[in-house]
Amino acid sequence: GQQLNQSPQSMFIQEGEDVSMNCTSSSIFNTWLWYKQDPGEGPVLLIALYKAGELTSNGRLTAQFGITRKDSFLNISASIPSDVGIYFCAGPGDYGGSQGNLIFGKGTKLSVKP
Amino acid sequence: DAGVIQSPRHEVTEMGQEVTLRCKPISGHDYLFWYRQTMMRGLELLIYFNNNVPIDDSGMPEDRFSAKMPNASFSTLKIQPSEPRDSAVYFCASSLNPVVGYTFGSGTRLTVV
Repeated sequence: GQQLNQSPQSMFIQEGEDVSMNCTSSSIFNTWLWYKQDPGEGPVLLIALYKAGELTSNGRLTAQFGITRKDSFLNISASIPSDVGIYFCAGPGDYGGSQGNLIFGKGTKLSVKP
Repeated sequence: DAGVIQSPRHEVTEMGQEVTLRCKPISGHDYLFWYRQTMMRGLELLIYFNNNVPIDDSGMPEDRFSAKMPNASFSTLKIQPSEPRDSAVYFCASSLNPVVGYTFGSGTRLTVV
């Protein structure tokens, strides 16, 4: 079945450092979404990408839709303590021909040391 | 907008008991999803509804799990009987257009002892 592989699984960085993480798939996705989950809460949508090659920013966050349509990248510049959390990539699934659901990667857990 | 509302936030129950998780989606959202999150398996889709109709329940683990959406503003996920391996965080999410993303609730942390 469809799977999204995220790397790294976890990161422990110093405040102020830049962060890069990525998400790959064996199949093509037409949409890539990046979510962040704070401890004890549900995931929250950060960035959505809809076109191969697209580069989109949201404050200190920048995400790119890979040109092969099989990967996406998320970068965080000048990390701060509130960036702590789990970052998930997601893309539309295809169960039985319908496309109402999202497939999620297993996440990259980010820890920031002040 | 109050967002997606789930209750209870925490549930501790004994093995064999029935558990009911509740969800109120965002008004106007036609899609409702139930996910389960564990350390080992991450976020797994259990079932989703479109216009109150179950579209895909292939992720429901077994017959002990059932979900209903009697109207556009309410859904339940029931586990009967519960087992320790059901311990997880259960999320409900709703969407107007899944391709542009979902809005998740804060989740229900279920512990079965």
